[in-house]
Amino acid sequence: SAVISQKPSRDICQRGTSLTIQCQVDSQVTMMFWYRQQPGQSLTLIATANQGSEATYESGFVIDKFPISRPNLTFSTLTVSNMSPEDSSIYLCSVPGQGRGYTFGSGTRLTVV
Amino acid sequence: AQSVSQHNHHVILSEAASLELGCNYSYGGTVNLFWYVQYPGQHLQLLLKYFSGDPLVKGIKGFEAEFIKSKFSFNLRKPSVQWSDTAEYFCAVNEGAAGNKLTFGGGTRVLVKP
Repeated sequence: SAVISQKPSRDICQRGTSLTIQCQVDSQVTMMFWYRQQPGQSLTLIATANQGSEATYESGFVIDKFPISRPNLTFSTLTVSNMSPEDSSIYLCSVPGQGRGYTFGSGTRLTVV
Repeated sequence: AQSVSQHNHHVILSEAASLELGCNYSYGGTVNLFWYVQYPGQHLQLLLKYFSGDPLVKGIKGFEAEFIKSKFSFNLRKPSVQWSDTAEYFCAVNEGAAGNKLTFGGGTRVLVKP
């Protein structure tokens, strides 16, 4: 299975600022997924990032708030823009793995103060 | 749109008790089904998955799940739990083709008392 390196692992940010989260995969993948896990909640898909095209956002998520880059087949970034305390969550990236499974990054725990 | 429901938000049980967590999904076509576990302070780990074939799937740590197509269900079971099974459990489904996005259920927090 693919190995994902996600960073930062955690951060504490001031409201109104932005944070960019990076995911590096050790193999080429067509699709990468970005999820949010709010405190005490399940995982919610933010967007699907395909290399060479615009990311596809789920209902309730917009590009201005969560811009995504996908410059190549092994790397993607998610930016959380103009943060507020409601953005405090764990953000995870994921890629399809072998045998139709999925591999998840270790997550970025974001606290907005 | 696809949805996944987990019936129990919290489960508390004693060691050696049996565990069954319910999961139902809404999609009527071909699906791939997953159970993930998240231990306190750790990231998601795959317990087991179903794609096709035998509807009774065995996973790691003594867990198993049964796919019942007519009931749109994929319930997770373990005959005898241990304190170390304290975790949050997530059912997830994707539609059809490999690599499609996963939709997660709301999760079930399981507390096993020693």
